[in-house]
Amino acid sequence: DTEVTQTPKHLVMGMTNKKSLKCEQHMGHRAMYWYKQKAKKPPELMFVYSYEKLSINESVPSRFSPECPNSSLLNLHLHALQPEDSALYLCASSPGGNEQFFGPGTRLTVL
Amino acid sequence: QKEVEQNSGPLSVPEGAIASLNCTYSDRGSQSFFWYRQYSGKSPELIMFIYSNGDKEDGRFTAQLNKASQYVSLLIRDSQPSDSATYLCAPTGANSKLTFGKGITLSVRP
Repeated sequence: DTEVTQTPKHLVMGMTNKKSLKCEQHMGHRAMYWYKQKAKKPPELMFVYSYEKLSINESVPSRFSPECPNSSLLNLHLHALQPEDSALYLCASSPGGNEQFFGPGTRLTVL
Repeated sequence: QKEVEQNSGPLSVPEGAIASLNCTYSDRGSQSFFWYRQYSGKSPELIMFIYSNGDKEDGRFTAQLNKASQYVSLLIRDSQPSDSATYLCAPTGANSKLTFGKGITLSVRP
């Protein structure tokens, strides 16, 4: 298995909802990332997990809560989001040589 | 000063031409340089990486790096309409974080 998978592909949620995004990779990569990408902008780093521990939090609001249950899984828990949080959420993984491989993303719409 | 700058676009070239995509970066500590291709509505796809000064070729793609000038480029030979996409330059900085440029949109005219 040589890919990063993300579910769901699309998500629509209200501002009072709680939802989760899921990312999975079975390449043995030890670093996993969450990015947010708005239209016509480059990806913005949110969180980095290295060996299942949170190593970087780019001052992301607490309404986004990451979780790494094991070396293959990465979740992003969402609560009380705002319409401006609507974006493409990308997960990536890296074997440790700096190159990162992205999943297909979850397109999130907050109403 | 922006950390990563890519030459203004969009860039339009005829099919079969060479497309030249340029990128400058400000962090002299950057050691690794990546080029990602992103089709509209899709996620970024890693197409090239380069670590050492000089050229690195992979098929129709050539990455060029000049650390003294803090400059990295991507050449696409024999451009095809399927190459039409946004290309993101991404050097690594502190903590091996990728710093993405704004991207340049390439359009290859049939």
